[in-house]
Amino acid sequence: AQTVTQSQPEMSVQEAETVTLSCTYDTSENNYYLFWYKQPPSRQMILVIRQEAYKQQNATENRFSVNFQKAAKSFSLKISDSQLGDTAMYFCAFMKLYTGNQFYFGTGTSLTVIP
Amino acid sequence: DVKVTQSSRYLVKRTGEKVFLECVQDMDHENMFWYRQDPGLGLRLIYFSYDVKMKEKGDIPEGYSVSREKKERFSLILESASTNQTSMYLCASSLSSDSHTGNTIYFGEGSWLTVV
Repeated sequence: AQTVTQSQPEMSVQEAETVTLSCTYDTSENNYYLFWYKQPPSRQMILVIRQEAYKQQNATENRFSVNFQKAAKSFSLKISDSQLGDTAMYFCAFMKLYTGNQFYFGTGTSLTVIP
Repeated sequence: DVKVTQSSRYLVKRTGEKVFLECVQDMDHENMFWYRQDPGLGLRLIYFSYDVKMKEKGDIPEGYSVSREKKERFSLILESASTNQTSMYLCASSLSSDSHTGNTIYFGEGSWLTVV
């Protein structure tokens, strides 16, 4: 079975600063996807960033970037220039290929951006 | 944009009632999912479906059933609601895993269920 671990239940960051959210996972698979999802207080879960395991280059989406360490099974999210709208619950997720798209989620990190 | 719509945002039901949670997606996705979200436990998969009339148990199927009669609609049924089923329920959908461009899951806004 796949497991996804987020060891930081809560974090805070000053506005305009940088914060890194940690995620580790356990799998014997070689081909998979990793995701970070954001759930603001309004509760709509939205995709932040996605990484294919076969790609060595770290994914980047504007102020969001990941540090993907495949051998260490680590997938951290870095948020640069934090904004108040970044306040949300962040979930790390793992997806195996070719198994009906089963997704496995971590327990989440609650991020608060302080003005 | 993909839209996943859950028919009820907030429900209050009595113990023992039969509860239906409806979910509709408008992007012709093959896969649909029902998750339960509880503080400190993250998202736990209840059931998923990869085709019409097909269903697979997730991690916590006990006390739940599902129905997928049409591709766009996936219903979660609580046969006899209990207080420990008070939770937030999230529906989601995705394209099949054969499509590399579609390997993203899209969520509805969630349904808050309180069982009293």
